[in-house]
Amino acid sequence: KQEVTQIPAALSVPEGENLVLNCSFTDSAIYNLQWFRQDPGKGLTSLLLIQSSQREQTSGRLNASLDKSSGRSTLYIAASQPGDSATYLCAIDNQAGTALIFGKGTTLSVSS
Amino acid sequence: GAVVSQHPSWVICKSGTSVKIECRSLDFQATTMFWYRQFPKQSLMLMATSNEGSKATYEQGVEKDKFLINHASLTLSTLTVTSAHPEDSSFYICSARDRVTNYEQYFGPGTRLTVT
Repeated sequence: KQEVTQIPAALSVPEGENLVLNCSFTDSAIYNLQWFRQDPGKGLTSLLLIQSSQREQTSGRLNASLDKSSGRSTLYIAASQPGDSATYLCAIDNQAGTALIFGKGTTLSVSS
Repeated sequence: GAVVSQHPSWVICKSGTSVKIECRSLDFQATTMFWYRQFPKQSLMLMATSNEGSKATYEQGVEKDKFLINHASLTLSTLTVTSAHPEDSSFYICSARDRVTNYEQYFGPGTRLTVT
């Protein structure tokens, strides 16, 4: 059974700092991996999707990498801003057409 | 981009009543929709998979007679919480897969249910 773990559970950094959020999964046979952002009391915003054949995806200040063999993904946020404060969720898609399996998230707080 | 809507965005109901939540794919057709539940400070947990024209598949521990799912068209799935109790209070989120691309799931904005 696929399990997704995110470390750390919470992170506080000053504005401008570069940071890395970690996601690990137990079964390397995945279809794709997605990173989401969730603001308090709100729904999910998709940030990046990495297909199983890809190693990384970039969008603006965000870069996500995928290493299937080691069961790991990282989300790199460059030059963090207070507006980046949110919970970041990693989710695994085991097969095409199935539901996502979510980690518990990393709650990020960026202070100005 | 693909848009999924949910209605209502929040609802308060009394214990024992039923509540229906709608999930619509606005600009694409979705043969499969998923219903998730999120308790405070917890992650999303899959409740059921909704397939157009067939019965939903429920996850272990989710009562199918309590959480009724109907997926009558390629753009609409509904979740009805029957005889709601305070412990059903949660954030319910649906997602839909674009039947053309089948890669990405698009999530609705969620429905906050509070049962008093």
